[in-house]
Order: sequence, then C-alpha cells, then structure tokens
Amino acid sequence: DTGVSQDPRHKITKRGQNVTFRCDPISEHNRLYWYRQTLGQGPEFLTYFQNEAQLEKSRLLSDRFSAERPKGSFSTLEIQRTEQGDSAMYLCASSLGRGRDTEKLFFGSGTQLSVL
Amino acid sequence: DQQVKQNSPSLSVQEGRISILNCDYTNSMFDYFLWYKKYPAEGPTFLISISSIKDKNEDGRFTVFLNKSAKHLSLHIVPSQPGDSAVYFCAASGGNDMRFGAGTRLTVKP
Repeated sequence: DTGVSQDPRHKITKRGQNVTFRCDPISEHNRLYWYRQTLGQGPEFLTYFQNEAQLEKSRLLSDRFSAERPKGSFSTLEIQRTEQGDSAMYLCASSLGRGRDTEKLFFGSGTQLSVL
Repeated sequence: DQQVKQNSPSLSVQEGRISILNCDYTNSMFDYFLWYKKYPAEGPTFLISISSIKDKNEDGRFTVFLNKSAKHLSLHIVPSQPGDSAVYFCAASGGNDMRFGAGTRLTVKP
C-alpha cells in the first residue's frame, strides 16, 4: 500500500492525558499536512511541513499541540493535556509540493480521537 | 470564518440523472479550486480541480464549472451512479492556504 497511512485509527483517552499520532506520507511527497475534522464540518487546516521544515501553523493550533517531521519523512502530532474539545478526526495529507500538484492532497484515513 | 460554503448538507438523486453540487467562496485571493470525495471511514480523495483562469474542467462523468464573478463553483456528475454516493467537499486554495467547505452528502438511489 503506497498511500498515506496513519496510526492509530482510533484513540480513546482521558482528559488531561497526552496523545501522539503518527503519519507516514507517500514516499516521494515532500509536503505533509495535518487537518482536524469534526462532525458536520470540512477539514480544518492545522499545520504543514515542506520536507522537515514546519512552514505554517494555524491559529487553531494551541500551545498544547506540537507537530514534528524530523527527517522529512513521517510526522507526529502530539496533543498535551487533552481536553474534551480536542475530540475530532485528525487527518494527515501529503502532496508533491511542486506547482499545482502542491494542492492535490492525498489524505490518510485519519485518527479518530475521543477524549472522555 | 467560513470562506468556503456548501449550503446544501445533502442531495438525493436518481441513478442516471445529473447531480449538481454547489459551492460558494468569499476570498478573492483563491485561485485554485478542488473537489474531494469521502467515503465513510476513509480520508477524502481528490476528484477534480480547476484553475481560476478557466471556467470549466471536465473529466469523464465529472465536470466542474467556475463563475469567478459570482464566486461560485459547481460539480456536475452525469450520469450519477450508486457508487457516487459519498460526501463531497469543495476546497479553495490561494497559495499555501487551502480551505474546505462543510461537505454535501450525495445519495444516488438505484
């Protein structure tokens, strides 16, 4: 399978705990994005990387959220001190990052986070 | 701020008929528009796109129309098939910033 993979698919945690999600993009893609989606809404941009550099972060991304892409390949998204409002589907996407192909995102199946 | 709006949360059409999904945007800086399709338990998949220099792009049964003066785009699916039943997201991009609409759930009835 050469698509974008995300792990875990589901995560249930208690309020106040830390969680970490992993995303493996398509291998030749140098752009990697994190989005969040809640029920009845479209994906909301959180942050993106060009290779290992984090180039943009949304205002939605509070200090409790941190993302890394240490070697320009896989990425992790960590949420510290989770709150019930963090419950959502966290989507990772990647793209070639060249010309208009930059905007054709390939999404993973997402990690569904439930904070109790 | 909802810069991309899909005002119809759902649409139901008969197999073989045309499906028309609509999308409006507010930001004049958007210059590239995309439609994504999402099945349950999967991430969105890219369907078709259009640049702001065009007003129509066609790919098989799917056609996207762009009306820049009205800041409106639409996706036409003809003929509609039951396998087209999914949630369709409109997205608009202006450089690095891509915004998505809330989606329209299309149901194609046999």
